[in-house]
Amino acid sequence: AQSVTQLDSHVSVSEGTPVLLRCNYSSSYSPSLFWYVQHPNKGLQLLLKYTSAATLVKGINGFEAEFKKSETSFHLTKPSAHMSDAAEYFCVVSDGGNEKLTFGTGTRLTIIP
Amino acid sequence: DAGITQSPRHKVTETGTPVTLRCHQTENHRYMYWYRQDPGHGLRLIHYSYGVKDTDKGEVSDGYSVSRSKTEDFLLTLESATSSQTSVYFCAAGGRESQPQHFGDGTRLSIL
Repeated sequence: AQSVTQLDSHVSVSEGTPVLLRCNYSSSYSPSLFWYVQHPNKGLQLLLKYTSAATLVKGINGFEAEFKKSETSFHLTKPSAHMSDAAEYFCVVSDGGNEKLTFGTGTRLTIIP
Repeated sequence: DAGITQSPRHKVTETGTPVTLRCHQTENHRYMYWYRQDPGHGLRLIHYSYGVKDTDKGEVSDGYSVSRSKTEDFLLTLESATSSQTSVYFCAAGGRESQPQHFGDGTRLSIL
């Protein structure tokens, strides 16, 4: 069985400061892990994915995430927040193939001008 | 994104009526999915398809049926809509051979 926990339902940061969105996962196998972003009234867009290659994964728009097996974590970071980063972010885990995804409950990111 | 179109984008209907949502993809993906999104739950899988006429249940399949007669189209049907099925529904495609799933823009369904 697989599961994912997003540790913060809401994060607020000032524009230009670092962003940290936290995610812990549970998986019986070597997992694939993803971060998706959802802007208001839109679908989900893939930010980045981890599939057992490099543990530090770089994604779009300056985001990156580090896979830490010992901590079962896959936290999302960005060095400097931009107003356009305001959105909801979902951490997602999949055992083996990518056809069965389990979503976290989401973290809403607010950027303070 | 990735050529996935959902229709309608918004629908309001009454309890007990049948509802069909359509998902159309242009990328020839073998796998397609229907999810629902509710506050505090993230996205939950309703049904998925792994080929024409091949479908399987997801986590929250009760009250829903699906059909896939062509690679590009995946239909979700609520045979007799209930208020608990008020939600935002997302279609996705992909998810095999190291490809991540790509999502449509969603259908907001309200059942009164």
